[in-house]
Amino acid sequence: GDSVTQTEGQVTVSESKSLIINCTYSTTSIAYPNLFWYVRYPGEGLQLLLKVITAGQKGSSRGFEATYNKETTSFHLQKASVQESDSAVYYCALGNHNNAPRFGAGTKLTVKP
Amino acid sequence: NSKVIQTPRYLVKGQGQKAKMRCIPEKGHPVVFWYQQNKNNEFKFLINFQNQEVLQQIDMTEKRFSAECPSNSPCSLEIQSSEAGDSALYLCASSLQGNTEVFFGKGTRLTVV
Repeated sequence: GDSVTQTEGQVTVSESKSLIINCTYSTTSIAYPNLFWYVRYPGEGLQLLLKVITAGQKGSSRGFEATYNKETTSFHLQKASVQESDSAVYYCALGNHNNAPRFGAGTKLTVKP
Repeated sequence: NSKVIQTPRYLVKGQGQKAKMRCIPEKGHPVVFWYQQNKNNEFKFLINFQNQEVLQQIDMTEKRFSAECPSNSPCSLEIQSSEAGDSALYLCASSLQGNTEVFFGKGTRLTVV
């Protein structure tokens, strides 16, 4: 079946520093899956941050970027300069037409002032 | 912003009791998912529907859970006989297709005492 593995647990970064949260996926599907990053800000529901549906393409939103790399089956989330307001839990996810979306276990980002 | 509505937000049940939660998907979304998120933030897919029909479900759901998505009524997920291990956040999500963006409700937090 499909699965997603991402940087585990918690990540703490100082404001204005760069961030990378790793995500790799596996799928038994012949077709390339769609890849997503979701985010849960404190007190809010889970919401889409960005998505990429074509291998080799890059998605971006709110200063975050992720590139769909089918060779390494990765979809790492990066930001050049984080802000306190980016503190949240981030989830990598895979969408396959034949199966329900699969989610990673989440990475809690804390940005220190 | 997601318009998926889940009720109740919190639910406390004794072991062996039934626990029922409801979800109103976004208007026009034919696909509905239920996930269980444990205290380690791990997502477990439970069941999904397309319109009123079950598409996929895991073994646990088939044996101990009862779920439906009737037309013109909220979807529901019911645990027939709650166990301590069922304590978790239950998330309902809806989408246009299985591999596209999913929109989440805020979840029902179940505590089995």
